[in-house]
Amino acid sequence: AQTVTQSQPEMSVQEAETVTLSCTYDTSESDYYLFWYKQPPSRQMILVIRQEAYKQQNATENRFSVNFQKAAKSFSLKISDSQLGDAAMYFCAYRSAEGGSEKLVFGKGTKLTVNP
Amino acid sequence: DVKVTQSSRYLVKRTGEKVFLECVQDMDHENMFWYRQDPGLGLRLIYFSYDVKMKEKGDIPEGYSVSREKKERFSLILESASTNQTSMYLCASRGTGRKTQYFGPGTRLLVL
Repeated sequence: AQTVTQSQPEMSVQEAETVTLSCTYDTSESDYYLFWYKQPPSRQMILVIRQEAYKQQNATENRFSVNFQKAAKSFSLKISDSQLGDAAMYFCAYRSAEGGSEKLVFGKGTKLTVNP
Repeated sequence: DVKVTQSSRYLVKRTGEKVFLECVQDMDHENMFWYRQDPGLGLRLIYFSYDVKMKEKGDIPEGYSVSREKKERFSLILESASTNQTSMYLCASRGTGRKTQYFGPGTRLLVL
């Protein structure tokens, strides 16, 4: 079974600085998707960024980018120019792209604090 | 935009009560999910449904059941609520063949 590990339960960053959240995963599959979800204190979980395993290029969305290392099974999230609104729980998630699997496997989350 | 709504944001129930949590999505998604979120444990899948009247157990189905009579609605049922079911419950949906799952705002359930 696939597993997702977020080794940093909490992180903090100064406003306008850059922070990197770590995620590693374990799978024997070659085709899959990886996600970072954000859950602000209001509790609505929203998608931050998505990476397809077959793509070598790292995904970027404005200030958010990933460092996807397929061989190392690592998928870190970099937040540049951190803003107060980035404070949230961040969850890394995995989903198989091979037939029949609909489940997302989540890490336990990293709580990000942004200091003014 | 995809919208996933849950019937209650906060719910307080007594031990032994039957509890219904409702989830509705407006994007004609085939797949719907119920998760439980607890501090330090992340999100754990309770049940999911890939079509009307179809369901599959997730990782922690014990003590829960589900119902999907219509495509847009997925209900989570606690037949006899217990204090260890106090938690945040998140519903999600995703279209078949689509990559992204969309979440509802969550229901925080307290069982006394």
